[in-house]
Amino acid sequence: LAKTTQPISMDSYEGQEVNITCSHNNIATNDYITWYQQFPSQGPRFIIQGYKTKVTNEVASLFIPADRKSSTLSLPRVSLSDTAVYYCPGGYQKVTFGTGTKLQVIP
Amino acid sequence: DAGVIQSPRHEVTEMGQEVTLRCKPISGHNSLFWYRQTMMRGLELLIYFNNNVPIDDSGMPEDRFSAKMPNASFSTLKIQPSEPRDSAVYFCASSPGTPLFSSGANVLTFGAGSRLTVL
Repeated sequence: LAKTTQPISMDSYEGQEVNITCSHNNIATNDYITWYQQFPSQGPRFIIQGYKTKVTNEVASLFIPADRKSSTLSLPRVSLSDTAVYYCPGGYQKVTFGTGTKLQVIP
Repeated sequence: DAGVIQSPRHEVTEMGQEVTLRCKPISGHNSLFWYRQTMMRGLELLIYFNNNVPIDDSGMPEDRFSAKMPNASFSTLKIQPSEPRDSAVYFCASSPGTPLFSSGANVLTFGAGSRLTVL
């Protein structure tokens, strides 16, 4: 089972860069790494994917080292609206999410 | 595209009653997932389907839970009889599918969820 591990919670002040790291110890060779964001009373929403090195889109950056045993989601200059739960699910067909990382952005 | 559509959005029922949650996946998506979310256990995968066929139901907590996908555009999750510990938010998600030799992530699109309260 492709299980991932991430911190339960993080706090950050507005305007700071936030990095959330996930461990992917059982990642399969062909699996891509994905991250999702969930706001209260909504379903999770896909935000970024990658296989190796660095990927950047309008929302976040994703850093994946060569051994692919971990990944880091980077949110630049967070605002209050970035307060959410962030997930790095494991698996490709059987996609498992877990408890995620609850990010609280403080004014 | 209307996205993944779930109904009802909220359901309050009494212990022992039957509950049926419904899901309409995104047209053209071949995989469908049912998840349950609680504060204590996070987002748990209950069951997933590929091309309307149940592939893995190992997350279904008990025989009281059952899921069906009679066609590509509809799925149900049934709890009979319901118990207070079943109270949770149930999410349905769909994805384009899982080809054998794939490139890229299996990106899921979630519905808004069905909040179930069993009294």
